Amino acid sequence: EDQVTQSPEALRLQEGESSSLNCSYTVSGLRGLFWYRQDPGKGPEFLFTLYSAGEEKEKERLKATLTKKESFLHITAPKPEDSATYLCAVAGSGTSYGKLTFGQGTILTVHP
Amino acid sequence: EAQVTQNPRYLITVTGKKLTVTCSQNMNHEYMSWYRQDPGLGLRQIYYSMNVEVTDKGDVPEGYKVSRKEKRNFPLILESPSPNQTSLYFCASSSSVGLDQPQHFGDGTRLSIL
Repeated sequence: EDQVTQSPEALRLQEGESSSLNCSYTVSGLRGLFWYRQDPGKGPEFLFTLYSAGEEKEKERLKATLTKKESFLHITAPKPEDSATYLCAVAGSGTSYGKLTFGQGTILTVHP
Repeated sequence: EAQVTQNPRYLITVTGKKLTVTCSQNMNHEYMSWYRQDPGLGLRQIYYSMNVEVTDKGDVPEGYKVSRKEKRNFPLILESPSPNQTSLYFCASSSSVGLDQPQHFGDGTRLSIL
């Protein structure tokens, strides 16, 4: 069974204070690891897909990295508008084919 | 505009009264899925569909039914709702049945079962 664990559960940062969110996973044959952002009252919004260990992707102040066991979402010089819940999810193969397993999310709050 | 549309957005109903939450996507996606989101439990997959007339159970299918008669629609049916199905529900779609492409989510349906 695929499993995803995100840490920390909540993170409070000052504007400009860089940090990282962690996503640890176990999956049978990784087809993709996804990062989403979710604002209150909204559906998750896609950020990144990572496919293999060593891969990195960047978008504005966000950078996602992947190893064989975990992924990190690095936030550089965050702004208050980066406040949201960040979700990690994995899609596997074999008996997991077609299923997407989410972590519980990290609630990020950035104070001005 | 590419989107996943869910209706209703909010619903308060009573135990045992059958209800249907509709989901429609305009991106010609093969894959569609339903999730529920509960505090402390995150997003959990209820059912998914890789094509018309093909549906499979996710991690929490008990008490739910789905159908996929058309590519664009994937309704979620609660035939006899119970209070433990009070939750926030999301429909999603993807161009890839193998999920190596991201899913696009609707804005959610908040169900309260009294």
